[in-house]
Amino acid sequence: GESVGLHLPTLSVQEGDNSIINCAYSNSASDYFIWYKQESGKGPQFIIDIRSNMDKRQGQRVTVLLNKTVKHLSLQIAATQPGDSAVYFCAEAYNDMRFGAGTRLTVKP
Amino acid sequence: ETGVTQSPTHLIKTRGQQVTLRCSSQSGHNTVSWYQQALGQGPQFIFQYYREEENGRGNFPPRFSGLQFPNYSSELNVNALELDDSALYLCASRPWRGLNYGYTFGSGTRLTVV
Repeated sequence: GESVGLHLPTLSVQEGDNSIINCAYSNSASDYFIWYKQESGKGPQFIIDIRSNMDKRQGQRVTVLLNKTVKHLSLQIAATQPGDSAVYFCAEAYNDMRFGAGTRLTVKP
Repeated sequence: ETGVTQSPTHLIKTRGQQVTLRCSSQSGHNTVSWYQQALGQGPQFIFQYYREEENGRGNFPPRFSGLQFPNYSSELNVNALELDDSALYLCASRPWRGLNYGYTFGSGTRLTVV
């Protein structure tokens, strides 16, 4: 999927609340999906991944849901903390990896 | 186990010049991809190399080229630099479609074209 332009979608949550970040992907052949977190001035950091033969995967405080029917991914962050503030990207992979639109998450103390 | 390292971290070039950016892949990773990330945007896929050959390319002109070496280090070359080439250039490496499929990113090279 192509990235959005200069104005990333934003999500603002209160510390301790749960966050849900959504993403649409474009290639129905993609068989692997990844969520990345990117902090200012740094490269993307791996959060969690999921293969196309699964519809849910859980990590520590994070859950990824995959809906292949509508080509949709979501990232759920439980008990969001100020350190979770960053830009979050989904990515889809088959032969190579392409990024979707990012979302800027801001956590209010 | 070392991560992905990129050099230089920052670079300023003049329009029309050529630039070479370098990446050292994580140990055991034989596939490397390069991305361009303009300010405020998501990473855009430039190309991918596997076993020293390009095996995937995004929507970038031929003046963007690359090399992958037998030790899995790689280079991104950009000729005839344009102002719009100013961006963060990211390198990512991974094993080829193995069980450990994840891509590991370097911290990037910030290129400014003036």
